[in-house]
Amino acid sequence: GENVEQHPSTLSVQEGDSAVIKCTYSDSASNYFPWYKQELGKRPQLIIDIRSNVGEKKDQRIAVTLNKTAKHFSLHITETQPEDSAVYFCAAPSGGYQKVTFGTGTKLQVIP
Amino acid sequence: DAGITQSPRHKVTETGTPVTLRCHQTENHRYMYWYRQDPGHGLRLIHYSYGVKDTDKGEVSDGYSVSRSKTEDFLLTLESATSSQTSVYFCAISPARGFNIQYFGAGTRLSVL
Repeated sequence: GENVEQHPSTLSVQEGDSAVIKCTYSDSASNYFPWYKQELGKRPQLIIDIRSNVGEKKDQRIAVTLNKTAKHFSLHITETQPEDSAVYFCAAPSGGYQKVTFGTGTKLQVIP
Repeated sequence: DAGITQSPRHKVTETGTPVTLRCHQTENHRYMYWYRQDPGHGLRLIHYSYGVKDTDKGEVSDGYSVSRSKTEDFLLTLESATSSQTSVYFCAISPARGFNIQYFGAGTRLSVL
């Protein structure tokens, strides 16, 4: 099955700075990479995803990049704001039936 | 939020008792999943369903069973709860098409004393 590693486990940045979270995956056949955000006490929610036929996707202050050769993908948050404070999870497909394997999460703290 | 309801939202039980958690969806999505979330482990798949009466094990299925008799309902049963099953349990659903997008319920916080 798929193995997803996520780093760092915690990240503190000053408001306005950028944050980068990186994930590596093992299955070269994986073709879809979502990112989920989980605020304290809430459910995980999809914030952005990327398919293997593109190298980068952007949505306002967040972007995801994919390096298929190196089998890693990254979440970039620019101009961070306090409301970006949350746990972020990456994921990659892990076999049939729409399954994914999640990374272990990154707790992002944005310091005002 | 997608139409997913988990019940109960909180439960405290004793070791050795059976516990059933319910996930109900109104989206008519084919795929349903149960995850547990523990500090340092992220979201780990317990069981999943790819249709009515079609279920399979995930990576942490020991001690858990599931049933899906209707499209909208997916039940997770702890046959004999243990303290190691204290966790937050999330149900998720996914449409038949699309790239593995999953929509999560609000979660159930279970404490086994």
